[in-house]
Amino acid sequence: KAGVTQTPRYLIKTRGQQVTLSCSPISGHRSVSWYQQTPGQGLQFLFEYFSETQRNKGNFPGRFSGRQFSNSRSEMNVSTLELGDSALYLCASSLVGRGVTEAFFGQGTRLTVV
Amino acid sequence: AQSVTQLDSQVPVFEEAPVELRCNYSSSVSVYLFWYVQYPNQGLQLLLKYLSGSTLVKGINGFEAEFNKSQTSFHLRKPSVHISDTAEYFCAVKRQETSGSRLTFGEGTQLTVNP
Repeated sequence: KAGVTQTPRYLIKTRGQQVTLSCSPISGHRSVSWYQQTPGQGLQFLFEYFSETQRNKGNFPGRFSGRQFSNSRSEMNVSTLELGDSALYLCASSLVGRGVTEAFFGQGTRLTVV
Repeated sequence: AQSVTQLDSQVPVFEEAPVELRCNYSSSVSVYLFWYVQYPNQGLQLLLKYLSGSTLVKGINGFEAEFNKSQTSFHLRKPSVHISDTAEYFCAVKRQETSGSRLTFGEGTQLTVNP
């Protein structure tokens, strides 16, 4: 069973540009969550998508957005990049249900803003 | 709201020594508890989870954790560490009453195992 796939693995962008990151969840997983990891702030929740709808959102500015497609693949977009957006962006997929199941993480996309 | 505090940012130990990584949490609602490990330039891998039942939970790679409700703690232990255990470890919580998948993480503990 293939794991969570994030592309690209590394990205360098210039301030003011925008970027799109992609996440393909494990087959059958309909929930996709995104996290930002930085040395100063640690792991912070960005948002969660389920059945193409955002059902949970963290405390990030509107420059951070996402979407989910009918095949559960998800993209996140950051517009007007700032130096502080440099981070490891992690995607996690989960099965759906009231009972807890673990979140499976991808290897992340390392974004560097220069 | 939930919060997670990992009491040690760095833990250096010698190979074959025991180790304990400490995690305390705060929440107004019941939560599930998790420990994840992150190797350099990798994503997070689940070590173990506490959902209910026995408060002593066994995970992968010889790790175990004990849930203590009165002290709101979920400390991770291993009786004998290996060089390959060098990594960053994250404690996390998830609200029980929601079907969402949002995790709240602690700041992480860097475990370094020296020969």
